[in-house]
Amino acid sequence: DTEVTQTPKHLVMGMTNKKSLKCEQHMGHRAMYWYKQKAKKPPELMFVYSYEKLSINESVPSRFSPECPNSSLLNLHLHALQPEDSALYLCASSQTGTSGRSAVYEQYFGPGTRLTVT
Amino acid sequence: KNEVEQSPQNLTAQEGEFITINCSYSVGISALHWLQQHPGGGIVSLFMLSSGKKKHGRLIATINIQEKHSSLHITASHPRDSAVYICADIPQGGSEKLVFGKGTKLTVNP
Repeated sequence: DTEVTQTPKHLVMGMTNKKSLKCEQHMGHRAMYWYKQKAKKPPELMFVYSYEKLSINESVPSRFSPECPNSSLLNLHLHALQPEDSALYLCASSQTGTSGRSAVYEQYFGPGTRLTVT
Repeated sequence: KNEVEQSPQNLTAQEGEFITINCSYSVGISALHWLQQHPGGGIVSLFMLSSGKKKHGRLIATINIQEKHSSLHITASHPRDSAVYICADIPQGGSEKLVFGKGTKLTVNP
């Protein structure tokens, strides 16, 4: 199984709503990533979890709150978002070294959640 | 500063043509990804390579570490190959942070 799954596929939310994006993989990968992608732009890294611990936060606003409850699951909790947060949110996973660094392991991406904030 | 440049930005071809997309990077890297993204869709990893050449079906990726350059070739192109192709490098020493190019939008007409 080389699949990363993401739910929901589409999400429309108001600026006062609280919602969550979910990502799951069963490849035994211990590094998981959240990316944000605006139209016609490459993905931008938001967060990296390594061995269920947050290892990289790319100065993401606190209205985005990641959570890694176990080695297969990654959540992104959303609260008080702005319309400019509308984007495709991609999850990815990869193997990682025993020191916690991903080195040159290939990243596998999910299909993304298309988020619209109204 | 690690920068990744892709060319061309847009490419239109007729079905059956041989396609080449180029990627240049500015600093030493550990490896380079070639990624494919269909309109409105998620990203598929096509290749990760750190030297030489890899082939999968009609797709071939090459990398020249000394020249800091990689190419993605598509033989016998088909309309279903229409997508954005993105190269992304992994900086030397290993890192979770990929450095992405801006992508090449390929359209293959029947």
